[in-house]
Amino acid sequence: DAKTTQPTSMDCAEGRAANLPCNHSTISGNEYVYWYRQIHSQGPQYIIHGLKNNETNEMASLIITEDRKSSTLILPHATLRDTAVYYCIAPTGANNLFFGTGTRLTVIP
Amino acid sequence: DGGITQSPKYLFRKEGQNVTLSCEQNLNHDAMYWYRQDPGQGLRLIYYSQIVNDFQKGDIAEGYSVSREKKESFPLTVTSAQKNPTAFYLCASMASGTPGPYNEQFFGPGTRLTVL
Repeated sequence: DAKTTQPTSMDCAEGRAANLPCNHSTISGNEYVYWYRQIHSQGPQYIIHGLKNNETNEMASLIITEDRKSSTLILPHATLRDTAVYYCIAPTGANNLFFGTGTRLTVIP
Repeated sequence: DGGITQSPKYLFRKEGQNVTLSCEQNLNHDAMYWYRQDPGQGLRLIYYSQIVNDFQKGDIAEGYSVSREKKESFPLTVTSAQKNPTAFYLCASMASGTPGPYNEQFFGPGTRLTVL
């Protein structure tokens, strides 16, 4: 399981893009990068995942560097409801789902 | 509606009592997981099950026990041997036990256990 590191916290102004970085320098070639978010006192919610190519869905975009050692989750127009803890994980198996402490994103009005 | 449910949302128990937390899913998922979350901390894996009648210890299994007699159910028992059981417990399921391109975990709403 590739270890991921994320900043502890970030702020973002409402309506602006929120860019959340994640380092996964030990990731191997077949490990996907997953992003989840957890709103206070709820279960985490899947956002997006990718392997090599950049990905986009209705919630966010995921930019993965060419060497795959880092990625950035982009929320294009952050709203107050995007305030949450964001987890970046790179699991290899059922017993290696290490969520860590994530990044606490606060969207400011 | 397909989903994963946990009950109850809040649970209070006296010290020394065993308590069982319920987790049910109707997603027809093979794999199920239990995590523990302490305030300000990330999720830590307690137990997981990739298939019915089989389960494996996670990082912090001591003081906990599970069973997987049915595909849709994965109850967690917090025993009196767990020294600090007060925490937020999250159950999750995944289509198969191997993370891959189409596999993400679905989480339940969680159970907040307080031991008095």
